[in-house]
Amino acid sequence: QVQLQQSGPGLVKPSQTLSLTCAISGDSVSTTTAAWNWIRQSPSGGLEWLGRTYYRSMWYNDYAESVRSRIAIKPDTSKNQFSLQLNSVTPEDTAVYYCARNHQLLLPFEWWGQGTLVTVSS
Amino acid sequence: QSALTQPASVSGSPGQSITISCTGTSSDVGDYNYVSWYQQHPGKAPKLMIYDVIKRPSGVSHRFSGSKSGNTASLTISGIQADDEAYYYCSSYSNSITWVFGGGTKLTVL
Repeated sequence: QVQLQQSGPGLVKPSQTLSLTCAISGDSVSTTTAAWNWIRQSPSGGLEWLGRTYYRSMWYNDYAESVRSRIAIKPDTSKNQFSLQLNSVTPEDTAVYYCARNHQLLLPFEWWGQGTLVTVSS
Repeated sequence: QSALTQPASVSGSPGQSITISCTGTSSDVGDYNYVSWYQQHPGKAPKLMIYDVIKRPSGVSHRFSGSKSGNTASLTISGIQADDEAYYYCSSYSNSITWVFGGGTKLTVL
């Protein structure tokens, strides 16, 4: 049973950096089969995959084109967690952010965090 | 605007069957058998219901089934029940090495 516990601020000012962390239990961030993802859900309800990190003898990242220039997803092996950093946020980045695991790169997201509502506002 | 197109809403009476469509392109739904469906109740994280077009995770009712033809995938729920009322999202792997989602469909059980 995998559990993902998210933490981070719920309010970020425009132009600043959004930072969230996803702590993993029941698995290892360094596993050589799974991938660790961030997905967000806009106030209108649509889901958007943001990116992932995974380990296959070295660390890899893939990011959505829409955020590629300002996103970083990083593993923290010492704490068995991974993080999301999204720079230069605007009100359009207001959303519920989820971390999620897929057991293999081409399998769907079977484990999700609880979600964190992040509001971008001054 | 979501990459995959779903109807905004569907409805049915208890015991009926409903089908939700999900239309993509030859770069995602049409090119891969990696279509999945998620159920989401208000305030909760999405729950995986169908993956690889037709497969059900352990614990998901046999009333849920999936299919695909060309660039369109479908989710069918047979014998709908009150607790099936939720939002349903489709997702597909795409050839830009990303996952894309539909805009979601609200199922109302009348």
